[in-house]
Amino acid sequence: EAQVTQNPRYLITVTGKKLTVTCSQNMNHEYMSWYRQDPGLGLRQIYYSMNVEVTDKGDVPEGYKVSRKEKRNFPLILESPSPNQTSLYFCASGGVSYEQYFGPGTRLTVT
Amino acid sequence: DQQVKQNSPSLSVQEGRISILNCDYTNSMFDYFLWYKKYPAEGPTFLISISSIKDKNEDGRFTVFLNKSAKHLSLHIVPSQPGDSAVYFCGYTNAGKSTFGDGTTLTVKP
Repeated sequence: EAQVTQNPRYLITVTGKKLTVTCSQNMNHEYMSWYRQDPGLGLRQIYYSMNVEVTDKGDVPEGYKVSRKEKRNFPLILESPSPNQTSLYFCASGGVSYEQYFGPGTRLTVT
Repeated sequence: DQQVKQNSPSLSVQEGRISILNCDYTNSMFDYFLWYKKYPAEGPTFLISISSIKDKNEDGRFTVFLNKSAKHLSLHIVPSQPGDSAVYFCGYTNAGKSTFGDGTTLTVKP
């Protein structure tokens, strides 16, 4: 089954404690992307990757890091999380027509 | 400045009637404009797209219209069903950069 998986699905953490949200896709897509969704603000792109070792900033990259060492994986790293990073996060992958397949989401709370 | 706008945060429609969701954009640099549907506690799922060289695309009950001169898209759902109740996002990807509207919550009443 074609899918994008994210882990963990729910995470409560404290300010400053480094965390990683994993994302994996099994569709051999070159394009992958991370988004956050906040109430009333829709989907905002954090980082994207056009291929292995190629990443670039989206609209809201501050406080986040990513890496793309393998085609299937695109982890999101928060080196020092802060309460304003409390949000719902989605990973997505896509093909040439830019139709994106989204993961189920990770709800992150930073206290 | 928001590049994709969905000016109606919510829309309520009776089952069997037409739902029309609207989307305005400012940047014409896209190959495809896409609509996604999102249910609570799930990730968005692709619904329908339209190429920048077309003015209409139809898929079953869903039709998207593109008016390039007005920089406006609309998604028509006919007939609307209660299972269509969800949040709908419009957006596009250009050279990897993706931009979405804030979404419209559609409620279809039985």
